[in-house]
Amino acid sequence: AQSVTQLDSHVSVSEGTPVLLRCNYSSSYSPSLFWYVQHPNKGLQLLLKYTSAATLVKGINGFEAEFKKSETSFHLTKPSAHMSDAAEYFCVVSEGTGGFKTIFGAGTRLFVKA
Amino acid sequence: GAGVSQSPSNKVTEKGKDVELRCDPISGHTALYWYRQSLGQGLEFLIYFQGNSAPDKSGLPSDRFSAERTGGSVSTLTIQRTQQEDSAVYLCASSRWDSDYGYTFGSGTRLTVV
Repeated sequence: AQSVTQLDSHVSVSEGTPVLLRCNYSSSYSPSLFWYVQHPNKGLQLLLKYTSAATLVKGINGFEAEFKKSETSFHLTKPSAHMSDAAEYFCVVSEGTGGFKTIFGAGTRLFVKA
Repeated sequence: GAGVSQSPSNKVTEKGKDVELRCDPISGHTALYWYRQSLGQGLEFLIYFQGNSAPDKSGLPSDRFSAERTGGSVSTLTIQRTQQEDSAVYLCASSRWDSDYGYTFGSGTRLTVV
């Protein structure tokens, strides 16, 4: 069975500095990987997805993630944080369509200081 | 519609009462999912519908929880004899048949059982 681990429950950065949110996964297959963002009192919004094409994936709002099979990682990065990036971020691994075939990480809360 | 619509956005109910939560998915999305998000927790899978197939109910926490999807579109999640531990945000998502495209989430229903 697949699993996903977000290595940090909280990350705090200053505005204008780089963001790194770490995600490791395990899967018996070649999974699809996603990052979602959830702003307070909002639903989850898809940031980006990896589905066995290019290993460096660019998403919305300047975020990108790199799939590293050898490290089983899919870390989310952004060169320069903005105050509006403060939110909860979820890494997701999926082995196909269906309920438990898609696993959400526990989330990483990003704080951005002025 | 343009997005996934959930209603009500907030619901306060007394312990022991039944509640119904509604989800209107994106038109043409064959897959529909219900998740529960408790305070400070990740997403807990509840139930998954795909087209006319039998739903995957393996995530429902007890027999007080049920869901139906009429005409392959609108879904209703029903919680009978609500308990305080049912208090959470209930999120609905829909996707194309191939979940590689990611999910589109609604804004959720915040349920408070008093």
